Amino acid sequence: SYELTQPLSVSVALGQTARITCEGNNIGDKNVHWYQQRPGQAPVLVIYRDTNRPSGIPERFSGSNSGNTATLTISRAQAGDEADYFCQVWHSSTIFGGGTKLTVL
Amino acid sequence: QVQLQQSGPRLVRPSETLSLTCAISGDSVSINSATWNWIRQSPSGGLEWLGRTYYRSKWYNDYAESVRSRTTINPDTSKNQFSLQLNSVTPDDTALYYCAKKGWSDGFDIWGQGTMVTVSS
Repeated sequence: SYELTQPLSVSVALGQTARITCEGNNIGDKNVHWYQQRPGQAPVLVIYRDTNRPSGIPERFSGSNSGNTATLTISRAQAGDEADYFCQVWHSSTIFGGGTKLTVL
Repeated sequence: QVQLQQSGPRLVRPSETLSLTCAISGDSVSINSATWNWIRQSPSGGLEWLGRTYYRSKWYNDYAESVRSRTTINPDTSKNQFSLQLNSVTPDDTALYYCAKKGWSDGFDIWGQGTMVTVSS
């Protein structure tokens, strides 16, 4: 079965850049989607098909995908970005990464 | 805008059937450009896709291998909603259950509010 590996936690200073990785075998050949989940809320799609932002998602959120690693980048991190972030792909079934808790210091 | 409203019991006894419904507003369950999904989140926080239903000239269903043998997802076109039935539940099925739409973006772009279901006697 296909697995996606994310770091359990990432910390970033206020106003700096956070990078959250999602590792999978040849993940660069797949479409990767990213979700933000704030405490007590449903997940929200923040990046679809590797690099695209849905309407209403700030330009500070960007994505990349190559080789065995996809990356969600959050520029100029704000306190409101503190949340859990999940990557997701389709590989015969929908697969989610384990999630990364982003802390903004 | 599209909204999904979930309903169903929050407590289910072991060995019984978990049943949830997701009512759609602002879209149609029969639209041929979307899939309608159930996803759950364990108490430890991980997300697990359970399955989907969708219409492409006829109705299709797909299920996660882990729950395939005891899961049914059905559309209800008369009420513009879809449902989840999970049979023979155990305490391991205790989770926060979400319905979600996958649209043209290929990501889950609309989510229900979530229903916390506890399996306990």
